[in-house]
Amino acid sequence: GAVVSQHPSWVICKSGTSVKIECRSLDFQATTMFWYRQFPKQSLMLMATSNEGSKATYEQGVEKDKFLINHASLTLSTLTVTSAHPEDSSFYICSAPEGAYQPQHFGDGTRLSIL
Amino acid sequence: DQQVKQNSPSLSVQEGRISILNCDYTNSMFDYFLWYKKYPAEGPTFLISISSIKDKNEDGRFTVFLNKSAKHLSLHIVPSQPGDSAVYFCAASAMGGTYKYIFGTGTRLKVLA
Repeated sequence: GAVVSQHPSWVICKSGTSVKIECRSLDFQATTMFWYRQFPKQSLMLMATSNEGSKATYEQGVEKDKFLINHASLTLSTLTVTSAHPEDSSFYICSAPEGAYQPQHFGDGTRLSIL
Repeated sequence: DQQVKQNSPSLSVQEGRISILNCDYTNSMFDYFLWYKKYPAEGPTFLISISSIKDKNEDGRFTVFLNKSAKHLSLHIVPSQPGDSAVYFCAASAMGGTYKYIFGTGTRLKVLA
């Protein structure tokens, strides 16, 4: 079946560095992908909608310059956490819809730990 | 403004019995609803979905019921198994699910052997 691949699955880095997370749809094309963030014991909160060929749409309260999103092709979206700080430590998950009235496929998530 | 709510943060059920997880929503534009199962540090795993033109969808041990007038949906798991123990999220979307998902707060299900 359709699969969404997310990479890396786990990142530990120093404060101030930038981290790039990739989300790929493996056997279908996705003009739209979604990026979520989950804090421990909380729900998945949508951060932004990634649109192929145009700018991402950010949810209220999400810093555009902090979380850079690029939808380079119909199968790849990237999220870059710029100048990461400990408060950015979280679990980041992407998803992609395959079509109407079909469940979105989720990646396995990326655990980001900023020291 | 929490558009999708799961009012029970946790639920314990004996193995073999029915588990009922509930979800309420407020946005009338939602037309596609889903249930996902999630383990820590993993992405959500799709369980079952329902479109707004239906009031029931069944897949094996899982049945989802939708009450549009009450803006309420529920997931029934029968019979419950210890392997069902996880956090369950309901999600709602507009535009047939191609739009962003709004997730509920989750219900932690524990099935006791």
